[in-house]
Amino acid sequence: EMQLLESGGGLVPPGGSLTISCAASGFTFSSWAMNWVRQAPGKGLEWVSGISSTGGTTYYADSVKGRFTVSRDNSKSTLYLHMNSLRAEDTAVYYCAKDSGRRDDYWGQGTLVTVSS
Amino acid sequence: EIVLTQSPATLSLSPGERATLSCRASQSVSSYVAWYQQKPGQAPRLVIYDASNRATGIPARFSGSGSGTDFTLTISSLEPEDFAVYYCQQRSNWPLTFGGGTKVEIK
Repeated sequence: EMQLLESGGGLVPPGGSLTISCAASGFTFSSWAMNWVRQAPGKGLEWVSGISSTGGTTYYADSVKGRFTVSRDNSKSTLYLHMNSLRAEDTAVYYCAKDSGRRDDYWGQGTLVTVSS
Repeated sequence: EIVLTQSPATLSLSPGERATLSCRASQSVSSYVAWYQQKPGQAPRLVIYDASNRATGIPARFSGSGSGTDFTLTISSLEPEDFAVYYCQQRSNWPLTFGGGTKVEIK
């Protein structure tokens, strides 16, 4: 069964850093691009970042460019999002999703990141 | 960045009624639009991709149409489990973008 499991969320002060992870199972992780999508409390979905199957190409939303870095370790079937200079507006549930070309067909259950002093 | 505008923001309907949701793009996205359903406390679920293709396990009462800048998600006869928020997403250009969502609520 295909599964994506996010972890690493928590409370971090403004200006702080955090890395969240997404462990994949049930499919050949190294064959697929992946995306991070977030959802602030009570708000809609916002695409954050994407990475190609090899990790050689990455994409970012303007709101996180220069502060967030997406990476992957295909040997561990794990996706990462390294977040620096965190702001209150980065508070959200962060989902990872498998990119099957023109759609995200599997999603994790999300991990909550709260930026607050 | 391509902006997606969904309408209406809220749709109040009864079970058995037809739901028609709209998504308009600020520039052409060809047919590269996906629709997702989200229920409270759950992750989004893919419903439609490439504007008109149903995802695996999605019932036939869900259909999508459109190309260019105007897209529609139709639920032919609402079942109780269909009441949720629906988001469109364009997959034509980076950055990927979502519409603001349409909440389909029970009238």
